[in-house]
Amino acid sequence: EAQVTQNPRYLITVTGKKLTVTCSQNMNHEYMSWYRQDPGLGLRQIYYSMNVEVTDKGDVPEGYKVSRKEKRNFPLILESPSPNQTSLYFCASSTSRTGVNEQFFGPGTRLTVL
Amino acid sequence: SQQGEEDPQALSIQEGENATMNCSYKTSINNLQWYRQNSGRGLVHLILIRSNEREKHSGRLRVTLDTSKKSSSLLITASRAADTASYFCATFYYYKLSFGAGTTVTVRA
Repeated sequence: EAQVTQNPRYLITVTGKKLTVTCSQNMNHEYMSWYRQDPGLGLRQIYYSMNVEVTDKGDVPEGYKVSRKEKRNFPLILESPSPNQTSLYFCASSTSRTGVNEQFFGPGTRLTVL
Repeated sequence: SQQGEEDPQALSIQEGENATMNCSYKTSINNLQWYRQNSGRGLVHLILIRSNEREKHSGRLRVTLDTSKKSSSLLITASRAADTASYFCATFYYYKLSFGAGTTVTVRA
């Protein structure tokens, strides 16, 4: 089944403890992206990647890192999480290298930083 | 930054009625997309309309785009209980997809 998977689905952590949220897609898509969703704000793009080793900032990149060493994986790294990063996170991929086509979303990761 | 703004924020309709929601945006776009989200789950793509298109249909969905007014509308005809969800417009411009805050639609049986 064509899909985007994220792990973990739920995570509670403490301030400053490094964490990684994994994202994987099995559709051979070049474009991948991370978003965070907060009440009343919709989704905001954190980072995107158009290919292996090609990443760029979205609208809210502060406090996050990404890497794209393989085409199928696009992990999101929080080196020192803070409470304002408590949010619902979504990974997505697109059939177009530039992301211009529809995006396929993962199921989400609900992160709480205490 | 939040590019699109949906109106209304919430909508409650009877099953069988039509639901219309609007989206306004601020800057240039390559295309505008509409997504549906059921109760905190992943988003599902509904329809994409390019900047040079004015209207598009897909099943019970009709989308219009007016680039001179920087606005779009999504019409869902003959609504069903399963259409209860949040609907987001998203504008795409140069590698980035920017979402509005969404419209929550409740379809009453």
